[in-house]
Order: sequence, then C-alpha cells, then structure tokens
Amino acid sequence: AQSVAQPEDQVNVAEGNPLTVKCTYSVSGNPYLFWYVQYPNRGLQFLLKYITGDNLVKGSYGFEAEFNKSQTSFHLKKPSALVSDSALYFCAVRDEGGATNKLIFGTGTLLAVQP
Amino acid sequence: GAGVSQSPSNKVTEKGKDVELRCDPISGHTALYWYRQSLGQGLEFLIYFQGNSAPDKSGLPSDRFSAERTGGSVSTLTIQRTQQEDSAVYLCASSLAATAGTEAFFGQGTRLTVV
Repeated sequence: AQSVAQPEDQVNVAEGNPLTVKCTYSVSGNPYLFWYVQYPNRGLQFLLKYITGDNLVKGSYGFEAEFNKSQTSFHLKKPSALVSDSALYFCAVRDEGGATNKLIFGTGTLLAVQP
Repeated sequence: GAGVSQSPSNKVTEKGKDVELRCDPISGHTALYWYRQSLGQGLEFLIYFQGNSAPDKSGLPSDRFSAERTGGSVSTLTIQRTQQEDSAVYLCASSLAATAGTEAFFGQGTRLTVV
C-alpha cells in the first residue's frame, strides 16, 4: 500500500534563511508526488507536483521540490523564507501501480518562520 | 462553480444524531475525495470516487460512515449515530482524473462538532 511520511512535526527557520520540509514515500509503482499548503482557517492549496522528467520541480510562491528516487524522497525547499510562508505543509502521493488513484497525505509539517 | 463547494461550513450536532455533509465538485471533475482532519492531525483518507467505477471505501473508519455520489457530481457523506470522536473538519476535493498526475482541488471544509 502507498504511504507518505513527514518526519518533522514542526520546522523553525529565520526569515531570509533557506528552508527544507522533508517528505519520504512508499509505492509499488511509479510515484506521483504533490505538495499542498494550508494557511490558518483556510483550505488546502496546491503548490507543486512531480510526475516525470526533471527531478527539480518549481511551484507557486517560490517553492521548489527535489525528487530523489533512490532515497524515495520529495523534499520541499525555498531559498529564502518569508514570515508569510508560515503554514501547515502536506506532502501527498498517488501510486501509479495502485488499485485506485486515491491520493494519500502525510501528517503535515508546521513551518514557523521567525522575523 | 469556480471551486469545490462544501456545505454546511459548520455543523454542531448532538451525540447519537445522524449528519449529512455535502460536496459540490468542480464541474467536469470525475474524481472526488473525502478526507477528515482532526485538530492537530493530518489528513485521513476516507473515500474516493472515480467516474462510474466502484468507490474506494478503504478509509472509512466504521460502518457508521457512508458516502454516495449522485450523477457523477454532488457527493454526500453521511455519519450515523455520531460520536464525539467524529468531531473534525471534513474536507472534500475533486480532480480531473484523466491521469494519476492531476492535482486535487479542495473545498473549505465542514467543521463538525459533536456535543
């Protein structure tokens, strides 16, 4: 069965510093990987996805993510954090080899950017 | 509509009562998902509909939970004999399911409180 893990409940970073939010996955076939962001009292917003091709994917708000097949990881990154990036971030995976196309989410990582 | 619409936005119910939560997906989206987000928790997959295929019900926590999707569009999640542990935000999402690489778009959720 497909699964995704976000090992950090919270990540703290100072404004202007680079940030990384970690995600690892497990699938039987090829993975389709997604990052979403949830601001307080708001719904989930799509940030970026990896389907195939270039391992470095660029998305909204200056975020990017790097797909690493050997490490089964899809870490979210941003070169310079903003206070407004503070939110809950979710990694998600679909399994190309799965019985259905259901989308499974990790437990989320709270990003706190200090001014 | 322009986005995924969920109603009601808030629902307070007494323990033991039945509740129905509604989701209107984006027009043309054939895939529809229900998730549950408890306070401080991640997104728990509940059920997935894809076109006319049998739904993936593998995430429903008990037989008190059921969902249907009429005419391939609107979906209703029903919780019978509600319990306090059912209190959570219930999120609906939809996607174009032409390929497994399509992202899902989320509604604002229904906050259910069982008292």
